[in-house]
Amino acid sequence: SQQGEEDPQALSIQEGENATMNCSYKTSINNLQWYRQNSGRGLVHLILIRSNEREKHSGRLRVTLDTSKKSSSLLITASRAADTASYFCATPEGSGNTPLVFGKGTRLSVIA
Amino acid sequence: SQTIHQWPATLVQPVGSPLSLECTVEGTSNPNLYWYRQAAGRGLQLLFYSVGIGQISSEVPQNLSASRPQDRQFILSSKKLLLSDSGFYLCAWSGQPNTEAFFGQGTRLTVV
Repeated sequence: SQQGEEDPQALSIQEGENATMNCSYKTSINNLQWYRQNSGRGLVHLILIRSNEREKHSGRLRVTLDTSKKSSSLLITASRAADTASYFCATPEGSGNTPLVFGKGTRLSVIA
Repeated sequence: SQTIHQWPATLVQPVGSPLSLECTVEGTSNPNLYWYRQAAGRGLQLLFYSVGIGQISSEVPQNLSASRPQDRQFILSSKKLLLSDSGFYLCAWSGQPNTEAFFGQGTRLTVV
């Protein structure tokens, strides 16, 4: 099954800096999603970008999608200590009613 | 509004003992339901998903099974736990195909 792969695996930045995480996937998709997971908790949906969209914003989050390169990026601007978490990209396993397949995630640490 | 309940939050079980983890969804009908497992510091592995009562798809052959006895109830079971079954188990649901997934808070299972 196809799977997104996030890069880098871990990222440590100072509060106020921007954080960029990347995701690559293998096959054609109709959408790509980003999730956040605080340590020991469930995942929380952040944003969904459709295959016909190139960029999407939500608050301090900016997601881009390049279907020709099969890649996406998540940018968190003006990071805060509370942004410390793991971030995952997810893509549908296939066409139709299929489950999401997740990458291994990027562990973001924002140092105050 | 829709909510998802997953319990217990933590569980310590001896090798060879049975397992039953339960997940229920409120506030929606005919949800797609999922069980994922997450090893320490790793990504999510899809175990089972269900698009309707009695319809279970298994992604990974293993020591576990799933059942959906009611529309909004999803159960993960094992007859005899192995050490390798330890991990963080997450239940999730989604509405329309390929839309965002909503996760429970997870169950930390330790097999000793």
